[in-house]
Amino acid sequence: KQEVTQIPAALSVPEGENLVLNCSFTDSAIYNLQWFRQDPGKGLTSLLLIQSSQREQTSGRLNASLDKSSGRSTLYIAASQPGDSATYLCAVGTQGGSEKLVFGKGTKLTVNP
Amino acid sequence: DTGVSQNPRHKITKRGQNVTFRCDPISEHNRLYWYRQTLGQGPEFLTYFQNEAQLEKSRLLSDRFSAERPKGSFSTLEIQRTEQGDSAMYLCASSLGGGAMFFGPGTRLTVL
Repeated sequence: KQEVTQIPAALSVPEGENLVLNCSFTDSAIYNLQWFRQDPGKGLTSLLLIQSSQREQTSGRLNASLDKSSGRSTLYIAASQPGDSATYLCAVGTQGGSEKLVFGKGTKLTVNP
Repeated sequence: DTGVSQNPRHKITKRGQNVTFRCDPISEHNRLYWYRQTLGQGPEFLTYFQNEAQLEKSRLLSDRFSAERPKGSFSTLEIQRTEQGDSAMYLCASSLGGGAMFFGPGTRLTVL
């Protein structure tokens, strides 16, 4: 059974810092990996999708990496802003038909002005 | 807006009542998923449709839960005889093939 862990559970940084969020998963036989952002009481916003054959994806100030063999992914946020404050969720797409996502519990990020 | 939409956004009901939620996926997406999220947790998979066929159901989906996707378009999730433990955010997502999954805003259910 796939399990996804995100560390740290919460992170508080001053504005302008670069930061890294970590995600680990137990089964390396994944279909893809997706990072999401969730604001309080809201749905999920897709940030980056990495296919199992890829090593990284970039979008603006965000960069996500994937190391399947070690069961790890990182989300790098450059020059953080107060508007980046949210919960960031890592989700692993399972193989075998539905490609349903298995989620971690998220990292709650606070960027202080 | 061509994203995933869900209705209602909030639902308060009394224990024992039936509730139904609706999800309208992105129009060209053939896959539709339902997830449930409780406070402080990541979303948990409930069920999956490819077009109109329901192909996978989680063990979380008890016999009080039923989902449909007639004609492979919108989907409904019905909960019969609601219990307080059903209180959660119900999220719908859609994707095209095995591509990126896009989520709706969710329906927050409170069972009193």
